[in-house]
Amino acid sequence: SQKIEQNSEALNIQEGKTATLTCNYTNYSPAYLQWYRQDPGRGPVFLLLIRENEKEKRKERLKVTFDTTLKQSLFHITASQPADSATYLCALDIGNNDMRFGAGTRLTVKP
Amino acid sequence: NAGVMQNPRHLVRRRGQEARLRCSPMKGHSHVYWYRQLPEEGLKFMVYLQKENIIDESGMPKERFSAEFPKEGPSILRIQQVVRGDSAAYFCASSFRGEKLFFGSGTQLSVL
Repeated sequence: SQKIEQNSEALNIQEGKTATLTCNYTNYSPAYLQWYRQDPGRGPVFLLLIRENEKEKRKERLKVTFDTTLKQSLFHITASQPADSATYLCALDIGNNDMRFGAGTRLTVKP
Repeated sequence: NAGVMQNPRHLVRRRGQEARLRCSPMKGHSHVYWYRQLPEEGLKFMVYLQKENIIDESGMPKERFSAEFPKEGPSILRIQQVVRGDSAAYFCASSFRGEKLFFGSGTQLSVL
């Protein structure tokens, strides 16, 4: 069956550390993968897109990797801050820009 | 350029009534997606539309649920004869040509 799995429901880290979130998928061959941030009571907000022929993408303190052999994407937030606390969702293109989301990982950064 | 507009923000219905959720995409966007979210859960895909066409409705129950995205006007998600299990947040997203999605603030549907 087709699945999108994010490593854990919740991740707690100390301010200043690097947060690493995982997105694994099975039985999909996405042309690209995206990461979104969602705050309580709000819609998700786009962060980064990485294509199947790209290994890594960076934007400020964010870094995303995409390994199509392992069928995995890693999402890193370096020098984390309490303001980074939110739920992070990965999303896959399953073809023709049809997007599917993982369940999300709730990140809490403690001061 | 206004963002994706969803209304109403909150909708209360009694069992058996109809719920109509509206989504106005960003200007120039021809792709619309609808997702459903329960508390502490991820986004469940419902339907993907392009102007006047349903591209994928595999996530939408065949009975009671329908969606449209007409040439003019907003996209509408319609739920007939609502039941308590339909209570959830419904999010709409739009995009220019797929890829990066812009989400609305959602409609919280409560069925009494």
